[in-house]
Amino acid sequence: AQSVSQHNHHVILSEAASLELGCNYSYGGTVNLFWYVQYPGQHLQLLLKYFSGDPLVKGIKGFEAEFIKSKFSFNLRKPSVQWSDTAEYFCAVKYGGSQGNLIFGKGTKLSVKP
Amino acid sequence: NAGVMQNPRHLVRRRGQEARLRCSPMKGHSHVYWYRQLPEEGLKFMVYLQKENIIDESGMPKERFSAEFPKEGPSILRIQQVVRGDSAAYFCASSPSPGAGNGELFFGEGSRLTVL
Repeated sequence: AQSVSQHNHHVILSEAASLELGCNYSYGGTVNLFWYVQYPGQHLQLLLKYFSGDPLVKGIKGFEAEFIKSKFSFNLRKPSVQWSDTAEYFCAVKYGGSQGNLIFGKGTKLSVKP
Repeated sequence: NAGVMQNPRHLVRRRGQEARLRCSPMKGHSHVYWYRQLPEEGLKFMVYLQKENIIDESGMPKERFSAEFPKEGPSILRIQQVVRGDSAAYFCASSPSPGAGNGELFFGEGSRLTVL
């Protein structure tokens, strides 16, 4: 079955610390990969996406993610987090043969201490 | 610059009542997706609709849940005879078409259903 795994349920960091959130997906051929962010009380917003080409993708607010095909991974990174990055982060995958819906991971809550 | 509009934002129902959640997609989008978010569970796909068509309802519970996207008006997710386990945030998303934007979905702010 197609699935997406996010390894960390809750991550707590201090400001200026580096961040890496793991995301792995089950094999399913061609994939499009996404990271969404949900700030407290708000809707999901797209952080970045990978379709093809350079496996290192840069998104908004200094976030980036690297697609490693051999590891079925799409980890999210940020060199230096800010208090305003406190949110829940969701990895999502669109499999090539799917109708259009995205498969989401369970999310990782990030708490950044000022 | 209206995004995906969902209403109501909060809905309280007693067990056995019906809940109706509405979603108006972004302008120019003809595809609507409903997801349910339970605590600690992330987002679970429920149903994918085009105007007047259900494309994929593989994530919908077999009973009590239904969805429609009529030719005119918003998409509606209907839950009959609600139970406490239906308490969740229900998110609607839209896209212009499955192939456009390579699958990116645009989300509404969600409707939080509480069943007493």
